[in-house]
Amino acid sequence: KAGVTQTPRYLIKTRGQQVTLSCSPISGHRSVSWYQQTPGQGLQFLFEYFSETQRNKGNFPGRFSGRQFSNSRSEMNVSTLELGDSALYLCASSPKPKGDLYGYTFGSGTRLTVV
Amino acid sequence: AQSVTQPDIHITVSEGASLELRCNYSYGATPYLFWYVQSPGQGLQLLLKYFSGDTLVQGIKGFEAEFKRSQSSFNLRKPSVHWSDAAEYFCAVGANYKLSFGAGTTVTVRA
Repeated sequence: KAGVTQTPRYLIKTRGQQVTLSCSPISGHRSVSWYQQTPGQGLQFLFEYFSETQRNKGNFPGRFSGRQFSNSRSEMNVSTLELGDSALYLCASSPKPKGDLYGYTFGSGTRLTVV
Repeated sequence: AQSVTQPDIHITVSEGASLELRCNYSYGATPYLFWYVQSPGQGLQLLLKYFSGDTLVQGIKGFEAEFKRSQSSFNLRKPSVHWSDAAEYFCAVGANYKLSFGAGTTVTVRA
């Protein structure tokens, strides 16, 4: 069974540009979450989707957005990139509607570097 | 709001020795608790979870954790560490469709 697939694995962007990251959850998983990991702030929650509905959003500026498609695949977008957006972005999926109770399976992440 | 504290930033342990990683949580209701491990350049792997029942939880790779409500703790243990256990370990509490993670504990294993 394939795991959570995130593409691309590595990305270098210039300040001011925008970027779109993609996540394919495990087959049958309908809950998808996104986290940002940095050395300074650690693991921070970005958003969670279930059946194309965003159910929770973390404390990030409006430049960060996401969506989920009918096949449960998800994308997140960051506009007007800043140097501080450099991070490992992790996607996670859960087979249960309440992944916060059941647990999530994480992908290997997309390493975004903003220069 | 829920939160997790991992008091130890870094722990060094000898191969074959026992390991205990501390985790304290803050949450008003019944907590749903998790331990994840992350190897360099990788995502997070779920080691074990607690949401009800027995307070001693068994996980993968020989890890176990004990939930103590009176101490708001969920410490992770392994009786005998292998060199492959060197990694970063994260404790998390789940609520409101998200996981709130601690800052993590880096484990170094010396031969």
